[in-house]
Amino acid sequence: KNQVEQSPQSLIILEGKNCTLQCNYTVSPFSNLRWYKQDTGRGPVSLTIMTFSENTKSNGRYTATLDADTKQSSLHITASQLSDSASYICVVCHSGGYNKLIFGAGTRLAVHP
Amino acid sequence: DGGITQSPKYLFRKEGQNVTLSCEQNLNHDAMYWYRQDPGQGLRLIYYSQIVNDFQKGDIAEGYSVSREKKESFPLTVTSAQKNPTAFYLCASSIDRGRGRLNQPQHFGDGTRLSIL
Repeated sequence: KNQVEQSPQSLIILEGKNCTLQCNYTVSPFSNLRWYKQDTGRGPVSLTIMTFSENTKSNGRYTATLDADTKQSSLHITASQLSDSASYICVVCHSGGYNKLIFGAGTRLAVHP
Repeated sequence: DGGITQSPKYLFRKEGQNVTLSCEQNLNHDAMYWYRQDPGQGLRLIYYSQIVNDFQKGDIAEGYSVSREKKESFPLTVTSAQKNPTAFYLCASSIDRGRGRLNQPQHFGDGTRLSIL
């Protein structure tokens, strides 16, 4: 079964600290892996997209890693800011024709002052 | 400013009523999608359309209908047959042509929250 599992479900950190969110997937065949940020009451916004051959990609203070052998990804947030408080969603693209995405349930991050 | 506009932001449905959620994009994207988001779950695909006048069922199409008469517009109707319509509905679009089409991001609107009266 094609699944995307994220951990932890929720996380609280202090402003300025770093954190790492995890994503495991069982999607096959695999096309790419994406991380989205979703603010409360808003639509998700794309942070990174990584294909099979990429094992790291950065977008400002966000760095995503991908290990296609173990089917794991992580999103590292450096020097967190209050505006990083959001849900972070791991999404795997299934290369079965159209742009079929399998979504994780997300990790809810709260950054406290 | 290019983007996806969903309206209304909040919608209430009475029992037995059909309601329509609007989605408009000015990104010139070929493909459009409708997702449903429930608490603690990943987004689930309701319908998608890769080209005007054509659309396909997603994983949870029962109780929903769509149309794609214009490239820019992809409205979703939640019919009375959908017995549990309370959810956050998200519309998305993406480029759907060219060699790298599978690696194109989906761009999302800001959603419509539907509740039952």
